[in-house]
Amino acid sequence: DIVMTQSPDSLAVSLGERATINCKSSQSVLYSSNNKNYLAWYQQKPGQPPKLLIYWASTRESGVPDRFSGSGSGTDFTLTISSLQAEDVAVYYCQQYYSTPLFTFGPGTKVDIK
Amino acid sequence: EVQLVESGGGLVQPGGSLRLSCAASGFTFSSYEMNWVRQAPGKGLEWVSYISSSGSTIYYADSVKGRFTISRDNAKNSLYLQMNSLRAEDTAVYYCARDLELGVLDYWGQGTLVTVSS
Repeated sequence: DIVMTQSPDSLAVSLGERATINCKSSQSVLYSSNNKNYLAWYQQKPGQPPKLLIYWASTRESGVPDRFSGSGSGTDFTLTISSLQAEDVAVYYCQQYYSTPLFTFGPGTKVDIK
Repeated sequence: EVQLVESGGGLVQPGGSLRLSCAASGFTFSSYEMNWVRQAPGKGLEWVSYISSSGSTIYYADSVKGRFTISRDNAKNSLYLQMNSLRAEDTAVYYCARDLELGVLDYWGQGTLVTVSS
């Protein structure tokens, strides 16, 4: 199984400042035949289901604000919120779908306002 | 508007059974693969099961294999999860989720809570 880890477990950022979340996979999720990273990011606010933010490591889902961006390749990935807004308080999960449909999620990173 | 509405959760004793349902609307259900994902209280997300658009291909997480059965009725736009031999560790909110492509889950239901306790 591909194991996903995230860091930090939680972070507090001032409004308008940058938030950076890291995700690491136990093996590469880059599929060589199409040069795509099988990595997605989800946002989950309290009492709500997860919401898809980014897939293919850097493709933003329709309607997602452009302050959210994804980067990385192979085993190391980053979700960046360029200017944190109050509505961004949530837990963020990375997910690998390289081994789809037996995909796995990271443990989550909680983002709060400082 | 895409909607996924789960139902069927509740309190059940260890060893008992429950059948979850997910009613889909706002899209061509028969064209999409579907998944069940669960979240134990205060914990992270765990994929449970996958079913192809036709229902011909099915996968399960090792933690539920042999106890849970996923199915779908494309005529009724519905997804199901039959859960048998339930254990305390199956306590979670169960979400149905649409598979955009290859495991990218673009729409999720609000979830239904399953509590396994005596």
